[in-house]
Amino acid sequence: AQSVTQPDIHITVSEGASLELRCNYSYGATPYLFWYVQSPGQGLQLLLKYFSGDTLVQGIKGFEAEFKRSQSSFNLRKPSVHWSDAAEYFCAVGALGGGATNKLIFGTGTLLAVQP
Amino acid sequence: EAGVTQFPSHSVIEKGQTVTLRCDPISGHDNLYWYRRVMGKEIKFLLHFVKESKQDESGMPNNRFLAERTGGTYSTLKVQPAELEDSGVYFCASSPLGGLTEAFFGQGTRLTVV
Repeated sequence: AQSVTQPDIHITVSEGASLELRCNYSYGATPYLFWYVQSPGQGLQLLLKYFSGDTLVQGIKGFEAEFKRSQSSFNLRKPSVHWSDAAEYFCAVGALGGGATNKLIFGTGTLLAVQP
Repeated sequence: EAGVTQFPSHSVIEKGQTVTLRCDPISGHDNLYWYRRVMGKEIKFLLHFVKESKQDESGMPNNRFLAERTGGTYSTLKVQPAELEDSGVYFCASSPLGGLTEAFFGQGTRLTVV
């Protein structure tokens, strides 16, 4: 079955500390991978995406993620967290093109709190 | 360029009533998706339109939910009659047809059925 697992429901980090949010997926076809962020009162904003090529992808707001096919993972990282990064983060996997429905399968989200 | 817009942002209705949610996709986006997040759970796919046609409605929970996209522009999602378990945040997303591109999401409609 196709699924996305985000093992950490809540994470608290200190401002300036590094961050890694975990994401594992189970998907039968070539996965296309996304990280979205939802800040309070806002919609889902795309942080970064992986379609093909370099397995280390850079996104907005200083985030990056690494696709590891052997581990079925797409972990999100940031070297130094800012207070404004407090939000909920969603990993998603999808199929694109070839007549596929293009629907996304989401993880349950990780809620990030940032301590001063 | 305007993003995906959803109306209303919040709705509180009584069980048994009808609610209609609206989504205006980004202009020119032929793909339109509806998703729902029930509290504490993952965001789940409901259905996908390509222009005015339903491409995939495998995620629709039951026949109390009706989605339309007349004219291939905005879309509505009607819940009739609403039940308590329909409470959650309903997201709409759109994307262009063809090519490799991500979906752009609206801010969501928070529906509370009491």
